[in-house]
Amino acid sequence: NAGVMQNPRHLVRRRGQEARLRCSPMKGHSHVYWYRQLPEEGLKFMVYLQKENIIDESGMPKERFSAEFPKEGPSILRIQQVVRGDSAAYFCASSPQQVENTEAFFGQGTRLTVV
Amino acid sequence: DAKTTQPTSMDCAEGRAANLPCNHSTISGNEYVYWYRQIHSQGPQYIIHGLKNNETNEMASLIITEDRKSSTLILPHATLRDTAVYYCIVRVGGDYKLSFGAGTTVTVRA
Repeated sequence: NAGVMQNPRHLVRRRGQEARLRCSPMKGHSHVYWYRQLPEEGLKFMVYLQKENIIDESGMPKERFSAEFPKEGPSILRIQQVVRGDSAAYFCASSPQQVENTEAFFGQGTRLTVV
Repeated sequence: DAKTTQPTSMDCAEGRAANLPCNHSTISGNEYVYWYRQIHSQGPQYIIHGLKNNETNEMASLIITEDRKSSTLILPHATLRDTAVYYCIVRVGGDYKLSFGAGTTVTVRA
């Protein structure tokens, strides 16, 4: 059973370009969460999605950032017109369902560098 | 979610037990204690969680005090590969957000 798969592992973008980060949850998991870790800081919650639905995007910047989890395919975190401050590690996690007493499994992350 | 307090760092000798404390004095009755760790450049890894009773799995043991205001994560035989940042998190059961603080940087030395 493969774990949470994120790609690419490393992504370099010039200022103003778009970044697309992909996350394939573990098999059987229908809940996806995105977290961001800025350099020398802790992980911060960004968004929680279920298939075709955004449940909570309270941690996501209001502009330039969007996320989706389509019926088919991976979840996508999209950052438009990237700036240097977007440089960070972006982690995706998944869980089988939203029930009490369950843990989330994290992927290895995508390290975005904006030059 | 209740706030947690952890030491900034600690060293441990390889092969010895590592005892990682966590203070969560404002924890509510329906909040679980979770432990994750993050090895350098990797994603967080779930270790263990509990509500009231002590818990043990293949990775670690979790000891929760009777008043639930603090807990200790025990790595029974630390190895060099256990060097990581360890996060103690409390959250309501079913709450999907994990609030990561600064954690404890554990360095296992040969």
